[in-house]
Amino acid sequence: QKEVEQNSGPLSVPEGAIASLNCTYSDRVSQSFFWYRQYSGKSPELIMSIYSNGDKEDGRFTAQLNKASQYVSLLIRDSQPSDSATYLCAVNIKNTGNQFYFGTGTSLTVIP
Amino acid sequence: EPEVTQTPSHQVTQMGQEVILRCVPISNHLYFYWYRQILGQKVEFLVSFYNNEISEKSEIFDDQFSVERPDGSNFTLKIRSTKLEDSAMYFCASSERRNVGGEKLFFGSGTQLSVL
Repeated sequence: QKEVEQNSGPLSVPEGAIASLNCTYSDRVSQSFFWYRQYSGKSPELIMSIYSNGDKEDGRFTAQLNKASQYVSLLIRDSQPSDSATYLCAVNIKNTGNQFYFGTGTSLTVIP
Repeated sequence: EPEVTQTPSHQVTQMGQEVILRCVPISNHLYFYWYRQILGQKVEFLVSFYNNEISEKSEIFDDQFSVERPDGSNFTLKIRSTKLEDSAMYFCASSERRNVGGEKLFFGSGTQLSVL
């Protein structure tokens, strides 16, 4: 069964701190990995994608992928109150189709 | 910047009525999807569509649901006889087709369906 698991939180960090969000997945054929941010009542917004083992940095965001451990994480440096949202981990699997599976999301609150 | 557009943003219907949710995917994308999210719950996959046919569907996508691409731009989700538990935010999404991987999934702003 293909599953994406995240801690639901809530996770609270003070403004300026590093927020660390974690995700594990069960399907070894997962090929691409994504982090989405979702504000309440809004659609998911893509913020990071990663395809190879290691780190990928984009501004204040760093995604980390470890395929051997089936683990992907997102670090948010210098957290801002505007980062307060639910963060969804998603994996893309290409078997017969082209499927994206989502975790339940981690709620992040950045405290001013 | 290209975006996925959905109409209507809100739809209220009576139980047992048919509803059609409409989407215009990003023009050069080839995979189209419907997801739903019940308030406070996870984003759930309903169906994916490629090359004018359903490529995958979930257990949620039963005989009451159907999808169609009636022309070159629109992608619709029809619920034939709505139930109370169909109340949710329905998201349309689309992605490119790349052989090497790295496709990204882009969402529309959603249609909030309320079944009374």
